[in-house]
Amino acid sequence: GAVVSQHPSRVICKSGTSVKIECRSLDFQATTMFWYRQFPKQSLMLMATSNEGSKATYEQGVEKDKFLINHASLTLSTLTVTSAHPEDSSFYICSAKAASTDTQYFGPGTRLTVL
Amino acid sequence: GNSVTQMEGPVTLSEEAFLTINCTYTATGYPSLFWYVQYPGEGLQLLLKATKADDKGSNKGFEATYRKETTSFHLEKGSVQVSDSAVYFCALRVAGNQFYFGTGTSLTVIP
Repeated sequence: GAVVSQHPSRVICKSGTSVKIECRSLDFQATTMFWYRQFPKQSLMLMATSNEGSKATYEQGVEKDKFLINHASLTLSTLTVTSAHPEDSSFYICSAKAASTDTQYFGPGTRLTVL
Repeated sequence: GNSVTQMEGPVTLSEEAFLTINCTYTATGYPSLFWYVQYPGEGLQLLLKATKADDKGSNKGFEATYRKETTSFHLEKGSVQVSDSAVYFCALRVAGNQFYFGTGTSLTVIP
């Protein structure tokens, strides 16, 4: 099946710094990418949906100025956590979908720890 | 609103035992239902899906039937293997491709 990668797999940063997480579709063109957040022992929560070349649509309660999403190409979307704080520590997962299908392919996730 | 409730784990079974992981949902409209599996260190992989009531999804010996009357989509396998050890997520998708996931159930199969 289609492959989606995320980089880095783990990141530790200091409070107040910004962190960028990349999501790549390796063998297909992803017209839509989704960003999820997963807290321990909780379900994945959709943060935002991004379509290539347009602004991301954020879910209610997600701060768009804090979680910057860019989907500049059909194979890459980035999530930047700005001015990170310990409460932003979480597992971030992306998924990608091609225009020709309704199947989403998930990345392996990125573990963010903010000290 | 839309939500998924699935059986809490962890679940530990002996090899060849029967597996059931319960999943119930609440949804507006007519959702599609999914089971995803996450092996250690890997991303979520689609295991099976059903798009309308009474549909049965199946894959790798796993089955789940879309039961509208009980709003359920329980995952079953007749004989589990050690290689089935993973975290299983039940999910629904509504219009617009938005997914709602359960909390995941960790399964460990011991030889």
